[in-house]
Amino acid sequence: DTGVSQDPRHKITKRGQNVTFRCDPISEHNRLYWYRQTLGQGPEFLTYFQNEAQLEKSRLLSDRFSAERPKGSFSTLEIQRTEQGDSAMYLCASSLARQGGLYYTEAFFGQGTRLTVV
Amino acid sequence: AQSVAQPEDQVNVAEGNPLTVKCTYSVSGNPYLFWYVQYPNRGLQFLLKYITGDNLVKGSYGFEAEFNKSQTSFHLKKPSALVSDPALYFCAVRDSGAGSYQLTFGKGTKLSVIP
Repeated sequence: DTGVSQDPRHKITKRGQNVTFRCDPISEHNRLYWYRQTLGQGPEFLTYFQNEAQLEKSRLLSDRFSAERPKGSFSTLEIQRTEQGDSAMYLCASSLARQGGLYYTEAFFGQGTRLTVV
Repeated sequence: AQSVAQPEDQVNVAEGNPLTVKCTYSVSGNPYLFWYVQYPNRGLQFLLKYITGDNLVKGSYGFEAEFNKSQTSFHLKKPSALVSDPALYFCAVRDSGAGSYQLTFGKGTKLSVIP
């Protein structure tokens, strides 16, 4: 499968624990995004990488959240001291920086990691 | 700030009838507009986009959408609904003048097709 891959698909954790999610983008894509989706809502932007550089962070991304993309390949999203309000689907997406003369192309999403904090 | 509104939480359509899922947007610059579909327990699948050019764009699974700048709308359409079409449909926008690469999504519209 050459799409965006996320691991794990499901995670149940106790409040206060740390969790880490992994995203493997489509191999030639140099842009990578993290979104969060709660029930009945559309995805909300969290952060964006171009290659290994984290260029944009949402105000939704509290100090307990950190994302990395070492070497510009896979990315990890860590949540420290999880809270019940962190329960959501965490979606990763990737895109090309440029295609056919256009500087912005559509993002392709993974199937997400569903986090449940109990 | 960029925003998207999908005024209908749910759309019901009979199989074989045309369907429309509405979307309006607000941006300060020029919009980049997208439609995605989400099946149960799945990620989002890209359907179509408007970046520039022809206002009528065609996408996957027979869907199309029309960009209307004066009405700030980007409604999703399909000439004939299929029983395989039920899903959540999300409209998304990015403001090309905002210096940001984030997409803002609507709340989604649930499409039901009545056999």
